[in-house]
Amino acid sequence: KAGVTQTPRYLIKTRGQQVTLSCSPISGHRSVSWYQQTPGQGLQFLFEYFSETQRNKGNFPGRFSGRQFSNSRSEMNVSTLELGDSALYLCASSLNRQGAQDGYTFGSGTRLTVV
Amino acid sequence: GESVGLHLPTLSVQEGDNSIINCAYSNSASDYFIWYKQESGKGPQFIIDIRSNMDKRQGQRVTVLLNKTVKHLSLQIAATQPGDSAVYFCAETPNDYKLSFGAGTTVTVRA
Repeated sequence: KAGVTQTPRYLIKTRGQQVTLSCSPISGHRSVSWYQQTPGQGLQFLFEYFSETQRNKGNFPGRFSGRQFSNSRSEMNVSTLELGDSALYLCASSLNRQGAQDGYTFGSGTRLTVV
Repeated sequence: GESVGLHLPTLSVQEGDNSIINCAYSNSASDYFIWYKQESGKGPQFIIDIRSNMDKRQGQRVTVLLNKTVKHLSLQIAATQPGDSAVYFCAETPNDYKLSFGAGTTVTVRA
C-alpha cells in the first residue's frame, strides 16, 4: 500500500514568489495535516483538513493557505515567499474523523528553499 | 544503559546498551501521545503510542512510560542498534486535529 506522497521533493523559489505543494494521502485516509519543520522552531502545525473542510489552523500568517479535494488529496500554498519560509513541509494523513487520535502517517516532505 | 532525567537535545549511546529518552508535555488535556523517529531525509515515522488511561506500553524493543502527574513521557529502547540513530520526537494531542511536538532528541549509536 502506497504511503503519503508529497510532490515535489525539492523546490527553490525566489523571495516574493508563491508556491504550491501537493500531498496525496494513503488510500482511504480522509484527514490530512500539514506541518512546517525548521531547525529553529522544530515541527509546527499549519492546518488540518477532513472531508474538504479545514478544522484547525496553526499560528501562521495568512500567506499560508491550503485546501483539500474530494479525493482527499491536499495542497498548500504560500504566497509572497520570505527567506524564513525555507523549511521542510510535511504532510500527514489519518484514517478517520478523529485525525490526531488515530495516529498520523507522514510523508517524506517537500524541502523548500527561498533565495 | 544511557539515560537522561531531563530532556536533552542529544544522546550518545553504546551499541547494545539501553537508551532512555525523556520528554515533558505541556497540555493537561492531551490524552494521546506518540513517539516518532525521524531519519535524515525522511518524514517522522511512528514508533509507539500510548493513551492517557495507561502508564506503560511495550512494543518490539521499545517501551513508553507516561507520568500524567508531572506531565512526563519517556521512550526506552532496549539493546540499541546502529539503525536506531535518528532524531526522536514526542508528540501530544491537545485536540483531535493537531499534534504538538517536543523539541526532539538526536540519538547517536557508537559502535
